[in-house]
Amino acid sequence: AQSVTQLDSHVSVSEGTPVLLRCNYSSSYSPSLFWYVQHPNKGLQLLLKYTSAATLVKGINGFEAEFKKSETSFHLTKPSAHMSDAAEYFCVVSTAGYSTLTFGKGTMLLVSP
Amino acid sequence: DAGVIQSPRHEVTEMGQEVTLRCKPISGHNSLFWYRQTMMRGLELLIYFNNNVPIDDSGMPEDRFSAKMPNASFSTLKIQPSEPRDSAVYFCASSSRGAEKLFFGSGTQLSVL
Repeated sequence: AQSVTQLDSHVSVSEGTPVLLRCNYSSSYSPSLFWYVQHPNKGLQLLLKYTSAATLVKGINGFEAEFKKSETSFHLTKPSAHMSDAAEYFCVVSTAGYSTLTFGKGTMLLVSP
Repeated sequence: DAGVIQSPRHEVTEMGQEVTLRCKPISGHNSLFWYRQTMMRGLELLIYFNNNVPIDDSGMPEDRFSAKMPNASFSTLKIQPSEPRDSAVYFCASSSRGAEKLFFGSGTQLSVL
């Protein structure tokens, strides 16, 4: 069985400050982990993915995430928030074979001027 | 590429009516997924097709829901009869590599009155 927990339902930051969105996972096997972003009234878009290569993964729009097996975490970070980053972010886990994904409940990122 | 195309964008119907949601995946993609998104339950996988064959329909809530993929370029999700608790955003996603990287449509906002 696999599951993912996003620790914050909402995160508020000011433009130009760092972003941290937290995610913990549970998986019986070596997991693949993803972050997706959903802008208002849009479908989800893949930000980045971890598939057992480098533990620090870089994605689009300056985001990155670090896989920490000892902490079963895959937190998403960005050094400096931009207004356009305001969206909902989903942490996702998949087992080998990629047949299905398990989505977290999502974290809404609010960016103020 | 036009991306994953879903129609209609919005659907408002009365309880008991039949609802048909449509999806055109990205050309060349051999996997198609239907998801439902609600505030209470987040994103739930309803059904997953590979090469037009349903692989996992364990997420389909009940017999009122059915999905078909008659060819590689078209899929439908039908609800008959619809109920107010079916109100949600329904997303279609496609992929050329299982669930490793999904491309989502913009969704269909369904309201059952």
